[in-house]
Amino acid sequence: QKEVEQNSGPLSVPEGAIASLNCTYSDRVSQSFFWYRQYSGKSPELIMSIYSNGDKEDGRFTAQLNKASQYVSLLIRDSQPSDSATYLCAVKGSGGYQKVTFGTGTKLQVIP
Amino acid sequence: GAVVSQHPSRVICKSGTSVKIECRSLDFQATTMFWYRQFPKQSLMLMATSNEGSKATYEQGVEKDKFLINHASLTLSTLTVTSAHPEDSSFYICSARDFRAGGDAETQYFGPGTRLLVL
Repeated sequence: QKEVEQNSGPLSVPEGAIASLNCTYSDRVSQSFFWYRQYSGKSPELIMSIYSNGDKEDGRFTAQLNKASQYVSLLIRDSQPSDSATYLCAVKGSGGYQKVTFGTGTKLQVIP
Repeated sequence: GAVVSQHPSRVICKSGTSVKIECRSLDFQATTMFWYRQFPKQSLMLMATSNEGSKATYEQGVEKDKFLINHASLTLSTLTVTSAHPEDSSFYICSARDFRAGGDAETQYFGPGTRLLVL
């Protein structure tokens, strides 16, 4: 069983729509959750981190965490063609030295 | 956010030669750096964890004698691909975290990556 699972996509949404990206994880003691964006040929860049249940908003991005369901999501409002990329979900256990585990990523395509 | 640099960004070498890739944390001190490899259309694969002043910890299946890692200071880690072969051609990415008191131990910051092509 994969530790962090994401639908590989591609997820296609029209420009201006809301893109919803989902991620599930297997380790119940995970405490820190991250979303990274990776453009083709580039390295990942951090979009958001979330540590508590509920929603966290940053501009057009909203991360949602439900630890009971072991589920974390990323919503992108008013999607733009420049949002087209692969989005990586990452999960870390409790304690500073825990390893970060990455999902395989969901490819998002925003259609103009 | 913290800045991590890598050098070179791209390297082409002949089969059998060794290639050194540098990873630097520019505006913070990284007690721990991570080396990843990513093949086209695949996810990140953690190769090893590099701790300042100690030996690196390699993931299962990664040859430590082939991928030499040195983390001599709090701002620099190097990965040397020894006797490179075409199958080593990949995108190598480092990342860094700061585990010291007061540092951001939670977030992993990535360098821009090094694209290696072995002919």
